[in-house]
Amino acid sequence: AQSVTQLDSHVSVSEGTPVLLRCNYSSSYSPSLFWYVQHPNKGLQLLLKYTSAATLVKGINGFEAEFKKSETSFHLTKPSAHMSDAAEYFCVVSDGNTDKLIFGTGTRLQVFP
Amino acid sequence: EAGVVQSPRYKIIEKKQPVAFWCNPISGHNTLYWYLQNLGQGPELLIRYENEEAVDDSQLPKDRFSAERLKGVDSTLKIQPAELGDSAVYLCASSTPPGTRNNEQFFGPGTRLTVL
Repeated sequence: AQSVTQLDSHVSVSEGTPVLLRCNYSSSYSPSLFWYVQHPNKGLQLLLKYTSAATLVKGINGFEAEFKKSETSFHLTKPSAHMSDAAEYFCVVSDGNTDKLIFGTGTRLQVFP
Repeated sequence: EAGVVQSPRYKIIEKKQPVAFWCNPISGHNTLYWYLQNLGQGPELLIRYENEEAVDDSQLPKDRFSAERLKGVDSTLKIQPAELGDSAVYLCASSTPPGTRNNEQFFGPGTRLTVL
């Protein structure tokens, strides 16, 4: 069965510093992996997705993630945090047969001025 | 283009009362999903529709929850009777069918249910 583990429930950074949100996955076959962002009172928005093409995936708003099979990781990074990045971030793995999404527990990102 | 629309955005009811949530998916999206998101958790799938057919309802508590998608467009999720533990955010999402190119799931803003 597929699952994801988000290693940090909260991450705090200063504006302009790098962001790292960590995610490990478990899958019996080559997974499809996603990062979604959820701002307060707004719907979940897809940041980026990995589907067995390039291992370094670039997403919206300057975010990117690297698929590392040897480490079963799919960490989300951004070189320079912006105040508007403050939100809840979810790492997600997909059941390849049905596209069922399995969400992690989320990481709340705080950005301080 | 309008996104996934959900109503109401907020609902407060007393336990044992019925409640219903409505979802209008993105035009042309045949696949519709209902998710439950408890506080501090990620969303969990309740039911998935392909057009008007419920193709995965294995996680739907059928003793009190029901859903329908008449005509394969709008969908309604109902709880009767509601319990205190049902307090959560109910999310609707839609997409093109699994396996189609670029079939991203688009989420609505959710309905926040509080059961007193």
